[in-house]
Amino acid sequence: DAGVTQSPTHLIKTRGQQVTLRCSPKSGHDTVSWYQQALGQGPQFIFQYYEEEERQRGNFPDRFSGHQFPNYSSELNVNALLLGDSALYLCASSLGGQGVTDTQYFGPGTRLTVL
Amino acid sequence: AQTVTQSQPEMSVQEAETVTLSCTYDTSESNYYLFWYKQPPSRQMILVIRQEAYKQQNATENRFSVNFQKAAKSFSLKISDSQLGDTAMYFCAFMNPTGNQFYFGTGTSLTVIP
Repeated sequence: DAGVTQSPTHLIKTRGQQVTLRCSPKSGHDTVSWYQQALGQGPQFIFQYYEEEERQRGNFPDRFSGHQFPNYSSELNVNALLLGDSALYLCASSLGGQGVTDTQYFGPGTRLTVL
Repeated sequence: AQTVTQSQPEMSVQEAETVTLSCTYDTSESNYYLFWYKQPPSRQMILVIRQEAYKQQNATENRFSVNFQKAAKSFSLKISDSQLGDTAMYFCAFMNPTGNQFYFGTGTSLTVIP
């Protein structure tokens, strides 16, 4: 049973560039959440996707956008990269739906460095 | 907005001893979910234990147990018989009733000393 996978593992970009990170949820899961984890900090919630729509969003600017595909995989896009966007980006999957409060399972993360 | 506070940035424990990690949270919700996650160095974050706020009984998973005090909004993790593999960053997390909002604390770095 495949767990949550993310690609790429590491990424180096320069300021002003755009980046796309990818996530495949755990088998059987239909909800994907994205988090930003700065060095030495706890993860900060970016947004959650369910049924190909953004269901909830944290306190992040609209430079951060996402997408969920029919197979439940998801992408996180960040435009106009800033130095402060350097972080570990975590994807978590769960089973969604109304009234369902399933535990989230995390992927290994993508380490983004902005120079 | 919900907040989660972990007031112990670093802790250490001797192998085979017991250690307790603290977590407090703030919410106006009556029903919610609390978690402890473990993040080993350069490795994936994994679930340690989950507690539903409507359950009075404290959750237990093998050597890991929680002390959930709803009125005090406290959710501590007790690790018994500590093992070297328990060395990791531990995060306390809060999930709202509908499961679409998740808040993490800043983490406690636990080192198990041989």
